[in-house]
Amino acid sequence: EVQLVESGGGLVQPGGSLRLSCAASGFTFSSYWIHWVRQAPGKGLVWVSRINSDGTTTHYADSVKGRFTISRDNAKSTLYLQMNSLRVEDTAVYYCARDHYGRNSVDYWGQGTLVTVSS
Amino acid sequence: DVVMTPSPLSLPVTLGQPASISCRSSQSLVHSDGNTYLNWFQQRPGHSPRRLIYKVSNRDSGVPDRFSGSGSGTDFTLKISRVEAEDVGVYYCMQGTHWPWTFGQGTKVEIK
Repeated sequence: EVQLVESGGGLVQPGGSLRLSCAASGFTFSSYWIHWVRQAPGKGLVWVSRINSDGTTTHYADSVKGRFTISRDNAKSTLYLQMNSLRVEDTAVYYCARDHYGRNSVDYWGQGTLVTVSS
Repeated sequence: DVVMTPSPLSLPVTLGQPASISCRSSQSLVHSDGNTYLNWFQQRPGHSPRRLIYKVSNRDSGVPDRFSGSGSGTDFTLKISRVEAEDVGVYYCMQGTHWPWTFGQGTKVEIK
């Protein structure tokens, strides 16, 4: 069974940093692109970042470019999102999601982890 | 970025009756490879999103056949043939043709 389990969320002050993790199981992690998607409270879904299977290619939404860094450790089947210079508007539930190869889509989602940026 | 515009934003439905949600994109979603990468996701209250449909009309494994997707170019539709109580939630269209991928703001389906 495919599972994605996010962790690392919490309360942080504006300007602070946080690192999210996404532990994967039930599939060959090293063969898949993985994405981060976020959802502000009561709002819709917004794509944040993605990384290719070996970690050599990354993409970011303009809103987080230069502040967030996506990475992965295939030996640990774990995805990361390093978030620096956090802003109030980064407050959201952050989901990791598995890419559906060849379908330009995501097929499995984690349960999400809440990041709250507030003073 | 491609803007995805759903309609309606709120949809009160009667159990057992059909329901239809539309999504319009600001650009054609026909990819240079000839495919149209339009997806539909369901998010039940308090849950993560779940994909229902990919590439316009392909239903995911385990998704009831009362859900169907159709459309082309810039206009797409998700239909529920007979609404059940478990269908309550927010439905999002998402395009994967143009980078960055973008979601519609969601249609909230509730029971009358």
